[in-house]
Amino acid sequence: ETGVTQTPRHLVMGMTNKKSLKCEQHLGHNAMYWYKQSAKKPLELMFVYNFKEQTENNSVPSRFSPECPNSSHLFLHLHTLQPEDSALYLCASSQPDYSLGGQYFGPGTRLTVT
Amino acid sequence: AQSVTQPDIHITVSEGASLELRCNYSYGATPYLFWYVQSPGQGLQLLLKYFSGDTLVQGIKGFEAEFKRSQSSFNLRKPSVHWSDAAEYFCAVGLSGGYNKLIFGAGTRLAVHP
Repeated sequence: ETGVTQTPRHLVMGMTNKKSLKCEQHLGHNAMYWYKQSAKKPLELMFVYNFKEQTENNSVPSRFSPECPNSSHLFLHLHTLQPEDSALYLCASSQPDYSLGGQYFGPGTRLTVT
Repeated sequence: AQSVTQPDIHITVSEGASLELRCNYSYGATPYLFWYVQSPGQGLQLLLKYFSGDTLVQGIKGFEAEFKRSQSSFNLRKPSVHWSDAAEYFCAVGLSGGYNKLIFGAGTRLAVHP
């Protein structure tokens, strides 16, 4: 699936570092999402953007800061993370109305916080 | 509250055998229902979706699913499993009414014996 791309695919960072994850979708969608997938836990929705506006923040700590400059790009800025933030971070996109199709996911960024 | 239950955490089948993965949901209105598959180290790929109409839906890779309103179920089936089907499978409910939020089940990990 190349409709949603994510970079980098792997990231190792120290707790004092600042880094950013990037997501780009080529599907003409207007909604984008960040999910966190940890071992042995269900997929956790973090943020939702519709037409570049944030419509959901699922009680995510402020050390995660999303940015959506346009409907095709989504960033997740990371700073002063904790080891428990190590996980697979997945980006997805869709049309705002599900009747037009489901969510399409990128391959994810495997984040390790040391 | 809305929820999705996948009762089986792990399932092992022999190659060529039939497969059924169970999914039950709790939702007051008519749901949008999805099945996704995730191979190791990858993002989620949409297998199929149900919005309305025919309760038996066909998806990619030879999978199908049947919506049973009376049982609040949306089980995934495949008549003959291939070794490449080994992966994790997620059922999801999309909330209707203009929202674009998916609620995922915890997933079922499928192993295929040769």
